[in-house]
Amino acid sequence: GAGVSQTPSNKVTEKGKYVELRCDPISGHTALYWYRQSLGQGPEFLIYFQGTGAADDSGLPNDRFFAVRPEGSVSTLKIQRTERGDSAVYLCASSRGQGETQYFGPGTRLLVL
Amino acid sequence: RKEVEQDPGPFNVPEGATVAFNCTYSNSASQSFFWYRQDCRKEPKLLMSVYSSGNEDGRFTAQLNRASQYISLLIRDSKLSDSATYLCVVKRTDSWGKLQFGAGTQVVVTP
Repeated sequence: GAGVSQTPSNKVTEKGKYVELRCDPISGHTALYWYRQSLGQGPEFLIYFQGTGAADDSGLPNDRFFAVRPEGSVSTLKIQRTERGDSAVYLCASSRGQGETQYFGPGTRLLVL
Repeated sequence: RKEVEQDPGPFNVPEGATVAFNCTYSNSASQSFFWYRQDCRKEPKLLMSVYSSGNEDGRFTAQLNRASQYISLLIRDSKLSDSATYLCVVKRTDSWGKLQFGAGTQVVVTP
């Protein structure tokens, strides 16, 4: 079946701009996660949703970052006033239920110039 | 100090040889443990879970030492296709959704 998909696969933006990154989880998966991976590092947790609600947003670095999942399926990660330090690969994962195996999408490579 | 620490490598391994490497974790509330594999510019994929008694999956063996708070992965009869970065992952009891990743250990299998 189809895996987790993320769009766009690459995004180049200028410092100060707003970006939206989209994640389509595996069909039927109720839990959805966002991570950020910088070069040479492991993925770093940002936020996860169980259904429509954010169950844990403790990894969001500051209030420029926000994520939604209004219908319990697709999620959008929104970054306001982007900074060069936001450049990274943003990974989305989903799982059938909370605490179950997480399956990752291919990621969105964000470059802030 | 990072919650999950790994030797970054690279571990250069001749084809057919055995390679082993460890990962240490600092939080004793860590409850579940995994090894993920990540190929260059690809997403992480679950390689195997790590159980308290140790477990094997084909050529891969994982061990957990809770007293010393480390996890190990051993790869026997290395194949060229085993070249990848291996990410050590822990999950704590107080946050079932959050995976804590190490920075990864790079393995390069050479002909």
